[in-house]
Formats: sequence, C-alpha cells, structure tokens
Amino acid sequence: DTAVSQTPKYLVTQMGNDKSIKCEQNLGHDTMYWYKQDSKKFLKIMFSYNNKELIINETVPNRFSPKSPDKAHLNLHINSLELGDSAVYFCASNPRPGGGKLFFGSGTQLSVL
Amino acid sequence: AQSVAQPEDQVNVAEGNPLTVKCTYSVSGNPYLFWYVQYPNRGLQFLLKYITGDNLVKGSYGFEAEFNKSQTSFHLKKPSALVSDSALYFCAVRDWGDDKIIFGKGTRLHILP
Repeated sequence: DTAVSQTPKYLVTQMGNDKSIKCEQNLGHDTMYWYKQDSKKFLKIMFSYNNKELIINETVPNRFSPKSPDKAHLNLHINSLELGDSAVYFCASNPRPGGGKLFFGSGTQLSVL
Repeated sequence: AQSVAQPEDQVNVAEGNPLTVKCTYSVSGNPYLFWYVQYPNRGLQFLLKYITGDNLVKGSYGFEAEFNKSQTSFHLKKPSALVSDSALYFCAVRDWGDDKIIFGKGTRLHILP
C-alpha cells in the first residue's frame, strides 16, 4: 500500500479554472504538508496541518485553500488558476510537527495553459 | 529565519570514486539537518538526519553526512559511488522551536559509468 498517495498524478487545465488535488496518508501521522516544486526543482513549503489544524501558512496567494477533513487527508483547492501555478505539488506527512522525517507522495504535475 | 544553501547545481563523479554533496545552513538556534533524495518523477525520500550527538551520521544506501558546527555545514558523502546514486539531492534544515522544514535548491548528482 502506498503510504502517501496523491490524486491526480497529472492535471492539465486552462487559466481561470478551479481545481483540487487530494492527498491521503495511511501512516497514522498527525502532520501533513503541501510543498510546491517549480520548474527549477526549488521546493517551497506552502501549508502544514497538525491533526486538522493549520499550523504553517506561508506567503501563498489566497487562491490556494487547503482543507483537512481528518488527520489522514489534506486536500488543496486552487481557484482562478494562473500560468505561474504550473508546478509539481507534493503532499507529505510527518509523525509530528517538525519531526524531520517527511514521507512524500509522488507528486501532482499541474500544467496551466 | 532558517536557510540552507547548496552551492553546486550539479556534481559529476566517476563510479567507484568517493562523492561529496555540499550543504551549508543558517539558523538562530540549534539546527535539525536532513538529506533527501529525489529520483525522476518521484517524491523525495528521506536519507538521514542530524539532531544531536555524533557529528557523523549514517543513513540509507551507504550515505553519511558530517555535521560541522564551526563551518555551519552538513555535507553528504559516500565512499564509493554507484551509477544508481544518480539523482537530485536536497539538504533541509529546521530551527529549534520552529515547525518549518526548509529545503535547499537541490544538487543533481551524476555518476559516470
């Protein structure tokens, strides 16, 4: 079984659309993250949730809204998509906040046309 | 705020030779340091971490890293490189008391057969 799974793996959409990426972890971890990896492979933290509560919210446009219905799930909804949103989005989980041994999903490659 | 630098975009090493991938960091308190590896079209995988204790940390796949407080460095090393070690390597840091894990820009390691 995949420990951290993201869907979809690929997402191609037009500018202005709204899309969601889903993430689920079956490791029983309390903490989940969203990271964005740009075309130069730079990895930047976006959000972190601990047991459904938002604990890290970086300077991300408010078009991005994370939602954690339970501690095993962290979804990312993006409104009014822009060309600059094209990137690979990684979900990750951690047994506890800042614990360091992150478990990453395989990523969602988002292409905005 | 914490930061991490990987000064080399790419490192080329002949198979069988020792390899080093460099990382320096900046934190206000005591650092938690990590190395991750990313293979093509995959999420990041944890290699090793330094929290406290012995300055030489051993990790997965024969990798090790040396913590040097005076030089604020945490270089990744391996005594004998394999072609299968070719991948993108990320150094990461967390400051004491902070939940955020910040990644460097990555270093592409290319092992030549």
